[in-house]
Amino acid sequence: EDQVTQSPEALRLQEGESSSLNCSYTVSGLRGLFWYRQDPGKGPEFLFTLYSAGEEKEKERLKATLTKKESFLHITAPKPEDSATYLCALTGANSKLTFGKGITLSVRP
Amino acid sequence: DAGITQSPRHKVTETGTPVTLRCHQTENHRYMYWYRQDPGHGLRLIHYSYGVKDTDKGEVSDGYSVSRSKTEDFLLTLESATSSQTSVYFCAIRAGGGTGGNQPQHFGDGTRLSIL
Repeated sequence: EDQVTQSPEALRLQEGESSSLNCSYTVSGLRGLFWYRQDPGKGPEFLFTLYSAGEEKEKERLKATLTKKESFLHITAPKPEDSATYLCALTGANSKLTFGKGITLSVRP
Repeated sequence: DAGITQSPRHKVTETGTPVTLRCHQTENHRYMYWYRQDPGHGLRLIHYSYGVKDTDKGEVSDGYSVSRSKTEDFLLTLESATSSQTSVYFCAIRAGGGTGGNQPQHFGDGTRLSIL
């Protein structure tokens, strides 16, 4: 059974304080690992797809990386508007999307 | 925006009543999904569709049924709602092609359903 574990559950940062969010996973035949951002009262918003170990994707202050067991979402010099819940999900050989429980990020001005 | 509209956005109903949630897409995508999101759980798949009149069960399908008579619409029905079905329901879509699920799903903004 595919599994996704995200840590920590919640993270509070000062504006400008860089950090990383962790997503550990076990999967049979990874087809894609996905990062989403979810704001309160909204649906998940797609950020990145990673397909193989060593791959990296960047968008503004966010960079996602992938190893054979983990993915990290690095946030550089975060701003208050980066506050949200970040979801990690993956698709394995069964083509079903499995989600982690999410990491709630708060960035204080 | 992913071109997904969910309706209603909020609903309060009583135990034992039937409830239908609607998902409408303007992207002409082949795949459509229904998830529920509850505190302490990740998003969990209820049912999905891989084409008109083609549907299959997800991991939490008991008590739910779905229908897809047109490419753009995917309906989720609770035949007799129970309090355990109080949740936020999300619809998602995915384009076809690629290698079985290696393309991202895109989500609507959800329906908050309360069953009293």
